[in-house]
Amino acid sequence: EADIYQTPRYLVIGTGKKITLECSQTMGHDKMYWYQQDPGMELHLIHYSYGVNSTEKGDLSSESTVSRIRTEHFPLTLESARPSHTSQYLCASSDPGRGKAFFGQGTRLTVV
Amino acid sequence: QKEVEQDPGPLSVPEGAIVSLNCTYSNSAFQYFMWYRQYSRKGPELLMYTYSSGNKEDGRFTAQVDKSSKYISLFIRDSQPSDSATYLCASSMGGQNFVFGPGTRLSVLP
Repeated sequence: EADIYQTPRYLVIGTGKKITLECSQTMGHDKMYWYQQDPGMELHLIHYSYGVNSTEKGDLSSESTVSRIRTEHFPLTLESARPSHTSQYLCASSDPGRGKAFFGQGTRLTVV
Repeated sequence: QKEVEQDPGPLSVPEGAIVSLNCTYSNSAFQYFMWYRQYSRKGPELLMYTYSSGNKEDGRFTAQVDKSSKYISLFIRDSQPSDSATYLCASSMGGQNFVFGPGTRLSVLP
């Protein structure tokens, strides 16, 4: 069973606000990911990390930023939210030795 | 061409039917193959995992990988309404950089 947690599950926020989406995993995985997924659409990788102090941009350009100060924690921040940021954000982690990725339940963000 | 292709459906079947879901991939370096199930408004859940070619069975689910034809399949026997979800196939090389298909939306009708 995957132990990866995202908070909040749902968030409605006004335009221009700064927000941080939290993601934590207790599996000790080095690699973590953030995906963006619109309803009924495919996953798009926006950020990933190989480990502490490592962050990389994914395939889809995003105005969000991430940090990785601790292995278990990979928060995503939007400095100034806009309606175009409305989407579901999914955090995942993987164990390279086993080739499996595990997902959190997602944060559904609505910017009004 | 996307690295992993998958028919988005939707696919509707009656309860009890055998469901066949398929993906093709283009990168011959892929070694790990996964199927995820995603219910509406939830995160993807790892359903089946296969390393290299071959079959893997888990209850009503069977995953097949044919590396010679670059074909990935998931079979669901005795399908149930609770199997209604989007199914995503995924591949990776070293178990780190995952490539996902767009997902197939399945509805099992009672």
